[in-house]
Amino acid sequence: QSALTQPASVSASPGQSITISCAGSSSDIGYYTSVSWYRQHPGKVPINIIYDVSNRPSGVSDRFSGSRSGSTASLTISGLQAEDEAYYYCASYTMGNIQVFGGGTKLTVL
Amino acid sequence: EVHLVESGGDLVQSGRSLRLSCAASGFIFDDFAMHWVRQVPGKGLEWVSGISWNRNNINYADSVKGRFTISRDNAKNSLYLQMNSLRVEDTAFYYCAKGRSSAISFALDNWGQGTLVTVSS
Repeated sequence: QSALTQPASVSASPGQSITISCAGSSSDIGYYTSVSWYRQHPGKVPINIIYDVSNRPSGVSDRFSGSRSGSTASLTISGLQAEDEAYYYCASYTMGNIQVFGGGTKLTVL
Repeated sequence: EVHLVESGGDLVQSGRSLRLSCAASGFIFDDFAMHWVRQVPGKGLEWVSGISWNRNNINYADSVKGRFTISRDNAKNSLYLQMNSLRVEDTAFYYCAKGRSSAISFALDNWGQGTLVTVSS
């Protein structure tokens, strides 16, 4: 049950765009559309911001978008704002009938 | 509004047992899969277990398989996690989370505030 692979950290200035990658395999991201992303501010509860690869729950800003290419999913945040500084986690359903998370990426808004 | 409230977290010795509960409200509980996710303070998220709406599909992370048991009581709108043979490495915040749909394959769209389990040696 290997975790999905994310970069430990990314950073950018306000107004810029960033993309966080999430590498999996043909047994998870590469096979299922159940890929999701979560945002967690320090000391707070995770919030789902993308589901089924590219869908946004109601109330989530359209500055957040998700995509997938092969076995790698990506989260793009455009027009960075200070409030976007947080940890971001990807997750996927797998052939093992379990969910697996990525290790998390710390986004710093400079 | 969806509301998930965990309880049962405590300080216990290695090898002992603990049962976590999650009280759900604000949605039709028996229409949705439910999950437990844990997080060591300062570390990442780890999916622990999931249960489908009708209990027909249940699974566990390898790290807890054979020691933890997930269950649900749809009449009481409650989710449980029985944790046996606890280890120091089980120390974490445990979150109850609602699935987007009835199967455990879908995203987790609402999370509780978490309950802290501390296992001492």
